[in-house]
Amino acid sequence: AQKVTQAQTEISVVEKEDVTLDCVYETRDTTYYLFWYKQPPSGELVFLIRRNSFDEQNEISGRYSWNFQKSTSSFNFTITASQVVDSAVYFCALRRTDSWGKLQFGAGTQVVVTP
Amino acid sequence: DGGITQSPKYLFRKEGQNVTLSCEQNLNHDAMYWYRQDPGQGLRLIYYSQIVNDFQKGDIAEGYSVSREKKESFPLTVTSAQKNPTAFYLCASSIVGTPGELFFGEGSRLTVL
Repeated sequence: AQKVTQAQTEISVVEKEDVTLDCVYETRDTTYYLFWYKQPPSGELVFLIRRNSFDEQNEISGRYSWNFQKSTSSFNFTITASQVVDSAVYFCALRRTDSWGKLQFGAGTQVVVTP
Repeated sequence: DGGITQSPKYLFRKEGQNVTLSCEQNLNHDAMYWYRQDPGQGLRLIYYSQIVNDFQKGDIAEGYSVSREKKESFPLTVTSAQKNPTAFYLCASSIVGTPGELFFGEGSRLTVL
């Protein structure tokens, strides 16, 4: 069975602080994909990143960075110098092997950034 | 602009009534999905469709039905058999072969009174 755990339910920070969101996954597959999505208050989820299991290189996109560690089955997400617009729910997800489009989502982490 | 349109945004229904949620996309995507979101539980897959006139059950299909008569449309019916239908429903689409990059609508919030 596949499982994604986001242990942090809510994180509150003051603007300009860094925030790291944890994601731990379980899968028996040797090939898999991991994702992060952002859900702002408007409701729609927005795709942020996809990482395949063969690519452990960390990625940076502006103030966002991702740390993929296969050895610990973790795919953590850091927002540097947070801004109020970063306030949202963030979901980590694992692609299920029985269909290229079906995702197993974690419970999500609410990030609250205050000025 | 290309995207996914869900309607209505808010819907109230009495127990025992069926209700249909609309999902339309103009992204020319082959695949479409319905997810249910409950507080603290993330998203769970209800149904998905990879091609017109074909759809598959997800993890929590009981009490729901769908149709896929047109590529751009994937309506979801919440039937009276659904025991706990109050939730936030999200429709998504994707390109066939793109492993998991989903485009989502803004959701429909259903409340059963």
